[in-house]
Amino acid sequence: EVQLVESGGGLVQPGGSLRLSCAASGFTFSSYSMNWVRQAPGKGLEWVSYISSSSSTIYYADSVKGRFTISRDNAKNSLYLQMNSLRDEDTAVYYCARHSGYDYADYWGQGTLVTVSS
Amino acid sequence: QPVLTQSSSASASLGSSVKLTCTLSSGHSSYIIAWHQQQPGKAPRYLMKLEGSGSYNKGSGVPDRFSGSSSGADRYLTISNLQSEDEADYYCETWDSKGVFGGGTKLTVL
Repeated sequence: EVQLVESGGGLVQPGGSLRLSCAASGFTFSSYSMNWVRQAPGKGLEWVSYISSSSSTIYYADSVKGRFTISRDNAKNSLYLQMNSLRDEDTAVYYCARHSGYDYADYWGQGTLVTVSS
Repeated sequence: QPVLTQSSSASASLGSSVKLTCTLSSGHSSYIIAWHQQQPGKAPRYLMKLEGSGSYNKGSGVPDRFSGSSSGADRYLTISNLQSEDEADYYCETWDSKGVFGGGTKLTVL
């Protein structure tokens, strides 16, 4: 059974940093690209970042480019999102999602809440 | 970049059928999309992949009541024999060197 478990969320002040993790199991993690997707309170889904299986290709949404860094450790079956210079508008539930071979998310984690507030 | 347009809300009666629409922007009518369901307070769940031909592949455990179809730039999700647990937000998604989500449709089961 595919499982994605996010952790690392919490309350942080504007300008602060946070590192999210996503632990993957139930599939060959090193064979799949992965994504981070977020959802602000009461809003829709917003794609944040993508990383290919070998980390050779990385994409970011314009809203986080230069502030967030996606990475992975295939030996640890883990995905990460380093978030720096956080803003109020980064407040959201952050989901990790497996990227299928046909370019869409086919499994989702349960999410971790990030609250940016003073 | 493609844009996905969804109606903000829809409603239908228990036991009836409903058809939700996701429209691809001009120049992107051949794109594959995915449909996701998000029940209140829960994470999204992948429902199906849907091609421009109308061919679709559902995720594991998705009931037979859920089906997909296409017409031009429109991608449809049809839910038959509506159940109370189908009350949820439904999002379509596509990809073009970055992820793109529609704004979501809130489905109310009356």
